[in-house]
Amino acid sequence: GAVVSQHPSRVICKSGTSVKIECRSLDFQATTMFWYRQFPKQSLMLMATSNEGSKATYEQGVEKDKFLINHASLTLSTLTVTSAHPEDSSFYICSARAGLTNGYTFGSGTRLTVV
Amino acid sequence: KNEVEQSPQNLTAQEGEFITINCSYSVGISALHWLQQHPGGGIVSLFMLSSGKKKHGRLIATINIQEKHSSLHITASHPRDSAVYICAVAPGGTSYGKLTFGQGTILTVHP
Repeated sequence: GAVVSQHPSRVICKSGTSVKIECRSLDFQATTMFWYRQFPKQSLMLMATSNEGSKATYEQGVEKDKFLINHASLTLSTLTVTSAHPEDSSFYICSARAGLTNGYTFGSGTRLTVV
Repeated sequence: KNEVEQSPQNLTAQEGEFITINCSYSVGISALHWLQQHPGGGIVSLFMLSSGKKKHGRLIATINIQEKHSSLHITASHPRDSAVYICAVAPGGTSYGKLTFGQGTILTVHP
């Protein structure tokens, strides 16, 4: 089945530094990748939709300059948290579909802790 | 009121019990998804439904489009079924697949 590989699974960084999270579709082409954020005991919150070869579409309230999304190829999308602060600590997860008639495949998630 | 409501929020069962998790939504949809999230955070897509019923192993998902309601059933539950189960809908009319999520149901199955 379709697989999305997400790295790293956990990262601890110092406040003010940037962190890059990668999601790769391993056996299908993901023209669209979705990036979510999840706070403890809360549901997934869509941050942005990443489209291959074009700019990402951000949800209301999500800072474009802080959460940089790049989708340079059909199999790779990256989310960079720039100048991270403790309030950015969260669980970030990506998902993609291998076509409109297929279900969603999720990455394994990245737990970011900013200290 | 959320567009997607799940019940119950928490569910505890003994191994072997039949489990039902419910999902109600208030918007027109193109599809409804049931997802499973394990304690480590990873999410698995269980079902995608647009009508009727689907079965996979001990899991059964049903949807009633007219009533805007879906159920996820687990037969002969097992401790390894302990996870958060999330209902998500793709609103009708959208083609790129933005999902709206329920709050999730925390299932704990005791041996």
